[in-house]
Amino acid sequence: EIVMTQSPATLSVSPGERVTLSCRASQSVNSNLAWYQQKPGQPPRLLIYGASTRATGIAARFSGSGSGTEFTLTITSLQSEDFAIYYCQQWNNWPPAATFGQGTKVEIK
Amino acid sequence: QITLKESGPTLVKPTQTLTLTCTFSGFSLSTSGLSVAWIRQPPGKPLEWLAIIYWDDDKRYNSLLRSRLTITKDASKNQVVLTMTNMDPVDTATYYCAHRLLRDLVFDYWGQGTLVTVSS
Repeated sequence: EIVMTQSPATLSVSPGERVTLSCRASQSVNSNLAWYQQKPGQPPRLLIYGASTRATGIAARFSGSGSGTEFTLTITSLQSEDFAIYYCQQWNNWPPAATFGQGTKVEIK
Repeated sequence: QITLKESGPTLVKPTQTLTLTCTFSGFSLSTSGLSVAWIRQPPGKPLEWLAIIYWDDDKRYNSLLRSRLTITKDASKNQVVLTMTNMDPVDTATYYCAHRLLRDLVFDYWGQGTLVTVSS
């Protein structure tokens, strides 16, 4: 099973700051990497898939990059509504399998 | 507009079988390429993909839980059912069903989730 490791576990930032979250795969996942945002009491929300493609309706301040084993989610000019937990997820299309990272919590500094 | 909603018991006893139903709208599981998955999240912990069922009735499972899981669909009722046998307190979690983004195993629409507690 591919293990996804996210860092840091918690990030304390001020509104307006630029945020960079990291996700590392235990082996190459090519570009099969997605990012989700989750707020308390809510289901995850898809932000990025294919490592760098924004999902429908996602603001341009969210961007993803990377391939292979190293990936990054960048949020430029953090807004108040962006404080949440962010998960990365890798997948295999065949045979189907998906694993999530343990999450990075972005909190108010 | 795609929506999904999970339903089922909120409390099950250890060793019992859990049956959850996902009722969805806005798409048909008879349509080629579409699928619905189940994902769970223990309190305060990360997400875990459990199973997926495709429009053609193909089914795939998390290898670590395969022996305990069964996923089925009733396309005419717009429902997907997940059963998990031999429940244990470590299976306490919020269980989500989700619509798969076409072609890739990522999930673009989610239900609100249902919290299942396993306790005697």
